[in-house]
Amino acid sequence: AQKVTQAQTEISVVEKEDVTLDCVYETRDTTYYLFWYKQPPSGELVFLIRRNSFDEQNEISGRYSWNFQKSTSSFNFTITASQVVDSAVYFCALSEADNNNDMRFGAGTRLTVKP
Amino acid sequence: DAGVIQSPRHEVTEMGQEVTLRCKPISGHNSLFWYRQTMMRGLELLIYFNNNVPIDDSGMPEDRFSAKMPNASFSTLKIQPSEPRDSAVYFCASSLRSSDRGQETQYFGPGTRLLVL
Repeated sequence: AQKVTQAQTEISVVEKEDVTLDCVYETRDTTYYLFWYKQPPSGELVFLIRRNSFDEQNEISGRYSWNFQKSTSSFNFTITASQVVDSAVYFCALSEADNNNDMRFGAGTRLTVKP
Repeated sequence: DAGVIQSPRHEVTEMGQEVTLRCKPISGHNSLFWYRQTMMRGLELLIYFNNNVPIDDSGMPEDRFSAKMPNASFSTLKIQPSEPRDSAVYFCASSLRSSDRGQETQYFGPGTRLLVL
């Protein structure tokens, strides 16, 4: 069965520090999709990135970057030069192509960026 | 596009009452998902539809919960009778699923915060 583990429950950093949020997943499928979502204090879930299992290329989007490593079943998320507005709960999620695309979320990591 | 629309945004009701949550997916999307978020259990998938047909409702907690999708632009999640333990934030999400690209990204609505007293 698919499973997503976000071992870091809470992280606190000071503004301008870099921070990495870990995500480890388990799946038996060869085709799957990985996602990161951001949930700010206002409560909505904001899509950040989608990655399919055949594309291990790392991705950078502004201050955000993602490191996908199939060898360690990890899909880590790094925020460079963090800002107070980055404070939120971040969820990693996995969807298996052979499992009717049921998406499973990790427990989330609450990031607090202090000024 | 207006994104996924959910109503009401907040609902307070008394135990035993019927609650109906509504969702309008993004136009053109063919998959719709209902999630529940609580502190204890995190984000849980309750049910999802593909082309208006329920595909997997194994996440629905019990018979008090039911969901319908009468057409491509509207879905409801009903709880009858409601109980205090149903208090949670209920999210609706939609996506486009195709045979060649599989499941695309799920876009979430703002959620309905339900409190059952």
